[in-house]
Formats: sequence, structure tokens, C-alpha cells
Amino acid sequence: GAVVSQHPSWVICKSGTSVKIECRSLDFQATTMFWYRQFPKQSLMLMATSNEGSKATYEQGVEKDKFLINHASLTLSTLTVTSAHPEDSSFYICSASESWSIDSPLHFGNGTRLTVT
Amino acid sequence: AQKITQTQPGMFVQEKEAVTLDCTYDTSDQSYGLFWYKQPSSGEMIFLIYQGSYDEQNATEGRYSLNFQKARKSANLVISASQLGDSAMYFCAMREGLASGTYKYIFGTGTRLKVLA
Repeated sequence: GAVVSQHPSWVICKSGTSVKIECRSLDFQATTMFWYRQFPKQSLMLMATSNEGSKATYEQGVEKDKFLINHASLTLSTLTVTSAHPEDSSFYICSASESWSIDSPLHFGNGTRLTVT
Repeated sequence: AQKITQTQPGMFVQEKEAVTLDCTYDTSDQSYGLFWYKQPSSGEMIFLIYQGSYDEQNATEGRYSLNFQKARKSANLVISASQLGDSAMYFCAMREGLASGTYKYIFGTGTRLKVLA
């Protein structure tokens, strides 16, 4: 089956520093990847859609300059949380679908738990 | 307005019994896809089952089945013969086509299921 690898699984950083999260599709090419954020015991909120070779599409209310997304290749997308603050602490999950077919499910990475101190 | 509504924040079910998790959706698209995911306490998102808007039959995958009522815009998940390992958060999701020709997946607020021994 389709596998999405996300790294790191958890990270603790100091306020003001930047953190990069990697998301790789291991056995398929993903022209589109989706980044979600999940607060404790809440739903997944779509942050942005990452398109290979072009700029990411951000959801309303998501700061583009704080959450930098780069989709450098068909198998790699990165999310960089810049100048992180405690309110950025959250669970971040990337995902991708194998095809544009409407019945293609999202395959998720295992998520990154970010704690900003 | 909520596009995916899960009205049950929490549910209990006795082991070996069946349980239905509710999901209603809102879309003006003629063609759309509905998905159910399971999220255990470890955080990973596990794809369970898919229902297409044009599918005339309800989807089934092992102990999971989908009670799809298109006119009511509902896609309820039925888990038969519940097991202790089914205790998790369950999310209903819809793939939504966009005017740009791309798409995104929207998630409901989730239902936390607890299976009792």
C-alpha cells in the first residue's frame, strides 16, 4: 500500500526558532500533498495544499510567512514553522493521495508533535 | 457552515455488538467521495472505507460498512462485532472539488468510540 513518511515524529524547540518537518511519499509520486494541523481532541484543520513545482495554496487564516511550504519533488514536501511560538505547539500531519481519482484516499504520515517552549 | 457534521462527540458500545457512527455532509457537487478514517491514541490516521456519490451499493470492508443515503446526505459508518481495538477517534471526510480544478479533503469533528469489555 501507499506509504507516507513524516519526520520528525516529535520535536521540542525554543520560542523564536524555526522547525522543519519533512513529508515523503515512499512508493508513489504525489503531485499534491496536504498539510493538516490538529489540536488535542479536535479535528484535522487543513492548513495548505502543497503542489509540486508551484506555490502552496493556503487556507484562510493560515499565515504564509509563518508556515512555509516547499514541494521540491514528486516525493517530498516540507513544512517550516518559522519563528515558532508556544501557540504553534500542535500536531502536524501531512498526507497525499496516489492519484487524482475521486476514490483515491488520503494516505497520512504519522504526524509530528511540535512543542514550543 | 460545516460541510461535514458528526453529531456524536463520544459513543460507547459493548464488545461484540454493532455500532453506527453518524456523518452528514453538505455539497453542491454531483460527483464526490466520502471517506472514513480511524485515529487511535497513537495519532496515525488509518483509512477504513470509501463511498462514491455515484455508487449505488453501500460500501463494505470487512467489519466496516457504510450506510449511504444520498438524498439525506448522510454516510454513516457501521462497525459490526466491535472489538476492544476499535476504541479510537473516527473521522468522516469528503473530497471536495475546487473551481481551480484541484481538490481538497475536509474532515468532520470526529466521534470518539469506546468499546467496553
